[in-house]
Amino acid sequence: EVQLVESGGGLIQPGGSLRLSCAASGFTVSSNHMSWVRQAPGKGLEWVSVIYSGGSTYYADSVKGRFTISRDNSKNTLYLQMNSLRAEDTAVYYCARDSSSGWYHGYWGQGTLVTVSS
Amino acid sequence: QSALTQPASVSGSPGQSITISCTGTSSDVGGYNYVSWYQQHPGKAPKLMIYDVSNRPSGVSNRFSGSKSGNTASLTISGLQAEDEADYYCSSYRSSSTRGVFGGGTKLTVL
Repeated sequence: EVQLVESGGGLIQPGGSLRLSCAASGFTVSSNHMSWVRQAPGKGLEWVSVIYSGGSTYYADSVKGRFTISRDNSKNTLYLQMNSLRAEDTAVYYCARDSSSGWYHGYWGQGTLVTVSS
Repeated sequence: QSALTQPASVSGSPGQSITISCTGTSSDVGGYNYVSWYQQHPGKAPKLMIYDVSNRPSGVSNRFSGSKSGNTASLTISGLQAEDEADYYCSSYRSSSTRGVFGGGTKLTVL
């Protein structure tokens, strides 16, 4: 059974850094494309970043240069390193397993809340 | 990096059919058959309902169907049920330095 469990969220001051983790089970992270998607309180979904199985990475313009997606094959875990955090980064962050072809997010975690506030 | 355009809300009575539109550009919706739809109940993670414009994942009711014409994709729910009341989001691949984009979301109310 595919499972994704996010962790690492919390309250952080503007300008600070945070690393989110997404522990996967039931499949191998490095063999799949994986995305991060976020949702600000009361707002819609926003795609954040993807790491392809081959290692290529892409980011939304809103986080480019500040966020870094990566994975640890030995831990079967996906990460999102978030630097220079802003109030507008406040959101629930979901990790998702993506399709091997095309573009869709087939499996989602339960999300972890990041609050950027002083 | 603008989002895809969806109506903010739609409503229908039990048993009726509704359609939610999702309008993009030739760089996303119109250029690829990579449109997907997600259902989200309050406080829950999104759930994939349609992928590659019109395909249903295993376990999703055949009351849900998808289509596309030009730069606009559509999700149709037939035989509305109370449990269908939720937020619905479209998503598409986008040919740019980024990769993905979502619609702003549509709140479905079952009257």
